[in-house]
Amino acid sequence: GESVGLHLPTLSVQEGDNSIINCAYSNSASDYFIWYKQESGKGPQFIIDIRSNMDKRQGQRVTVLLNKTVKHLSLQIAATQPGDSAVYFCAENIIGAAGTALIFGKGTTLSVSS
Amino acid sequence: NAGVTQTPKFQVLKTGQSMTLQCAQDMNHEYMSWYRQDPGMGLRLIHYSVGAGITDQGEVPNGYNVSRSTTEDFPLRLLSAAPSQTSVYFCASSYSTGASSYNEQFFGPGTRLTVL
Repeated sequence: GESVGLHLPTLSVQEGDNSIINCAYSNSASDYFIWYKQESGKGPQFIIDIRSNMDKRQGQRVTVLLNKTVKHLSLQIAATQPGDSAVYFCAENIIGAAGTALIFGKGTTLSVSS
Repeated sequence: NAGVTQTPKFQVLKTGQSMTLQCAQDMNHEYMSWYRQDPGMGLRLIHYSVGAGITDQGEVPNGYNVSRSTTEDFPLRLLSAAPSQTSVYFCASSYSTGASSYNEQFFGPGTRLTVL
């Protein structure tokens, strides 16, 4: 069935380092993938998305890479800051009988120490 | 705009009680959906909707009912609460630019539900 998962539950980095968070998906028909950031006690916040016809997309300090051959997605955060500490989820956009919704992976907790 | 609002923020129920979690958005979004998040887990889709009168089940629909009578509101009903429904519930909405497109989903702040 459709599923999106993450490789590591936790990642600890030093301030200023680059962070890489990984995600594997199983549905080769997936068309959109999205990364969300969730801070404690809050709802998920959109970071960046990528369509399946792209390999790479860049935002401000973030880059998402998509490898369709091995069904792998990654989020790279440049010059990680303490404010980046949060749980990061990848999600897959699905299209069903009632429109679109998201299927989430389990998440990676990023801890940034100064 | 207030965005996506959810009420209540916190709720404690006894097993067997019923209640409705409210979700409203003022962005005229067609798509709305409900998710639950258990400790240490990602969000799981409960039900979703593309407009008034059109809903569908997600990954974990059992024990929950929804209806969509207006564009703005998408309430989630628990008919007979169970301890397994203890979770944080998030509502989300997005606009539509076509069936095959993706648009950013905006999430509400969540409702933390405890069932004793």
